[in-house]
Amino acid sequence: GENVEQHPSTLSVQEGDSAVIKCTYSDSASNYFPWYKQELGKRPQLIIDIRSNVGEKKDQRIAVTLNKTAKHFSLHITETQPEDSAVYFCAASNKYGNKLVFGAGTILRVKS
Amino acid sequence: DAGVIQSPRHEVTEMGQEVTLRCKPISGHDYLFWYRQTMMRGLELLIYFNNNVPIDDSGMPEDRFSAKMPNASFSTLKIQPSEPRDSAVYFCASGFFRDGPYGYTFGSGTRLTVV
Repeated sequence: GENVEQHPSTLSVQEGDSAVIKCTYSDSASNYFPWYKQELGKRPQLIIDIRSNVGEKKDQRIAVTLNKTAKHFSLHITETQPEDSAVYFCAASNKYGNKLVFGAGTILRVKS
Repeated sequence: DAGVIQSPRHEVTEMGQEVTLRCKPISGHDYLFWYRQTMMRGLELLIYFNNNVPIDDSGMPEDRFSAKMPNASFSTLKIQPSEPRDSAVYFCASGFFRDGPYGYTFGSGTRLTVV
């Protein structure tokens, strides 16, 4: 089945710097790649997603890139702020497109 | 749209007791998922339903766990008997799928503590 690897497991950056989180997936048939942000004690919330027909998507300070050939996708956060501190999860749909498989998560800490 | 609604938000129970967690998906969503989240294992998919029918329960840890979806607006996850190692946050999520997943949304979760 689909397997999603996420790196790094923890990431600490200075406020204002950029943060990059990377994920790789195993099933070449996967076609949907969302990113979720989970603050302490809260639910995972979708922050951005990308489908396989595009290579990049941007929403203000957040961007996601997808390389289908290499089977990896990345989250980029620019001008990080303390409120960006959270756990970030990547996910990929399975080959049937009816189930998301999640990465293990990245703890992002933005130091002010 | 009230989102995915879960109850209770917190549950503390004694080992051996039955626990029932509840979920109301977003109206119009035809998929419902139950996840368990722990520090050690992260987000684990336990079971999911399509149009109220269980599709894949391979993530259910053992026979003590069962899930039902009697109609499109309600699902339960039951643990009987509960054990301390079941302590975790249980999330319900719903979504709909056409040529791919859409609207995949999590509920607020139920924090279960078994003492």
